[in-house]
Parts: sequence; structure tokens; C-alpha cells
Amino acid sequence: KAGVTQTPRYLIKTRGQQVTLSCSPISGHRSVSWYQQTPGQGLQFLFEYFSETQRNKGNFPGRFSGRQFSNSRSEMNVSTLELGDSALYLCASSLGGYGGELFFGEGSRLTVL
Amino acid sequence: AQSVTQLDSHVSVSEGTPVLLRCNYSSSYSPSLFWYVQHPNKGLQLLLKYTSAATLVKGINGFEAEFKKSETSFHLTKPSAHMSDAAEYFCVVHGSSNTGKLIFGQGTTLQVKP
Repeated sequence: KAGVTQTPRYLIKTRGQQVTLSCSPISGHRSVSWYQQTPGQGLQFLFEYFSETQRNKGNFPGRFSGRQFSNSRSEMNVSTLELGDSALYLCASSLGGYGGELFFGEGSRLTVL
Repeated sequence: AQSVTQLDSHVSVSEGTPVLLRCNYSSSYSPSLFWYVQHPNKGLQLLLKYTSAATLVKGINGFEAEFKKSETSFHLTKPSAHMSDAAEYFCVVHGSSNTGKLIFGQGTTLQVKP
């Protein structure tokens, strides 16, 4: 069974640009969550999508957005990049129920110059 | 609101000695708790989870954790450390019912000395 796949793994952008990250969940999983990991703030929840609907959202500005497609694949977009957006962005998939295990991808490492 | 506090940012042990990584939680209802491990430049892997079935939870690679409601703790232990256990460990609580939102502790870096 294939795991969670995130693309691209590494990318470099400049301030003001935008970026789109992709996440393919484990087959059969309907929930996809996104997390930002930085040395200073640790792991922070961005948002979760379940069956194409945003089910929960963290405390991030509107420049961070996401969507989920009918095949459960998800994308997140960050517009007008800032230096502080440099981070490892992790995607996790699950069946969607409470207490269920989240399976994480290896992340997309974004560097903003 | 749910939260977790990892009491040590860095723990150093010698190979073959016991490991103890401490975690306290706060939850307004019966929590689901997890320990995840992250090796350098890798994603997160689930070590074990507590979902009220049993207070002593056994996980992968010889790790276990005990849920103590009276102490609001969920400490992670292993009897004998291996070099391959060197990594960052996260204590995690499920943020709310029926969602994929997890709340992470700040992490504990485990160093294993030969």
C-alpha cells in the first residue's frame, strides 16, 4: 500500500511569489491535514479537508489556502510569500474519525529568499 | 481546549540504558493521545496511541507509554536505548472530536551515546 506522497520535496521561492504544494493520500483515506513545521514554532495545524470540504482550520492568515479534489488529493497554496513562510510543510492522511492514526508524508521543504 | 507539554526539550542517554520522555496533557474531555517520532529529514511516524482501551500502551520498536489520568501524564519509555532511537519525539493530542487536527508538543530530542 503506497504511503502519503508529497510533491515537490524541495523548492526555493522569492518573497512575493506564490507556491502550490501537492499531497496524495493513502488510498481510501478521505481526510487530509496540513501542518507547518518550523524550528521556532514547532508543528502547527494549518487546515483539514474531508470529502472535499474544509473541516477545520488553524490560525494562519488568508494567504494560506487549500483544496481537496474528488480523488482525495489535496493542494495547499501560499500566496505573497514572506521569509517567515520558510518551513517544512507536512501532509497527513487518515480515514477521518476521532482517535484515528494520521499517516504523514515526508514533507515539502520550502525556502523563501 | 486541548494541549500537551513536553517537559524536556533534550534528553541524552547511553546505549542500553532506559529512556524516559515526559509529557503532560490538558483536555476538556477524554483525550486521544499519541507519540510520534521524526528522524532527520523524514516525516512523522506513529509510535503508539492511547484511545481509552488500556492505560498501558505498547508501540513499535519496544516503546510503551502509560496514561495516568490523575497525573494528566502520558510518558514514553523504553527499557534499553538503541543508537537508531536518536530522533525527535512528539507527544500529541487529538484537537477535537471527529477531525484530523492534532496538537503537538514542542518535541524532545533524544540523543543516544555509544
